[in-house]
Amino acid sequence: GQQLNQSPQSMFIQEGEDVSMNCTSSSIFNTWLWYKQDPGEGPVLLIALYKAGELTSNGRLTAQFGITRKDSFLNISASIPSDVGIYFCAGQRTSGSRLTFGEGTQLTVNP
Amino acid sequence: GAVVSQHPSRVICKSGTSVKIECRSLDFQATTMFWYRQFPKQSLMLMATSNEGSKATYEQGVEKDKFLINHASLTLSTLTVTSAHPEDSSFYICSARWTGEGEAFFGQGTRLTVV
Repeated sequence: GQQLNQSPQSMFIQEGEDVSMNCTSSSIFNTWLWYKQDPGEGPVLLIALYKAGELTSNGRLTAQFGITRKDSFLNISASIPSDVGIYFCAGQRTSGSRLTFGEGTQLTVNP
Repeated sequence: GAVVSQHPSRVICKSGTSVKIECRSLDFQATTMFWYRQFPKQSLMLMATSNEGSKATYEQGVEKDKFLINHASLTLSTLTVTSAHPEDSSFYICSARWTGEGEAFFGQGTRLTVV
């Protein structure tokens, strides 16, 4: 079953606002990944994090790998309508192991 | 990023028939491919992991005789839903990885409807 706690479950924001979501775990992960899924599509990789403390940006997106290796957050700055979708965090414990997914954050951006 | 192509994107089949879904890595060799099932408004549920040339490893509760997985080459894995029933209707997604570490790239998903 799922072992990553992702929050919030949903967010309703105005265009232009910043967004923050996070994932926490009771156990350590060596890799954290953030994906976005549009309706009827597969998830698309946004950011991959490999080192504790790492802070990585991809355009308006910024993600950090928590120092304890038990959490990660994703920030979206200056949101736009096309940011709408479901965002998933995923963790990998060791090289070669499966990914564990969070429950997802449904983001709605009002123009 | 790497490209994973999944086909078909939608399929409707009659109860009792079998359906095959293909997952191809287009620009890399996938040492491992994964098959997921996703219900509406829920997260991805891993069904099985397959490595090229070996038998797939199924998650607990997933019937291996019902969901046949073949990973015959480094660029192709197939999922066959045998004797499909309406409760098998779902969104099936594959992903592929070329190294053991981290990034897995997903296909577009297949919406299966069994009538």
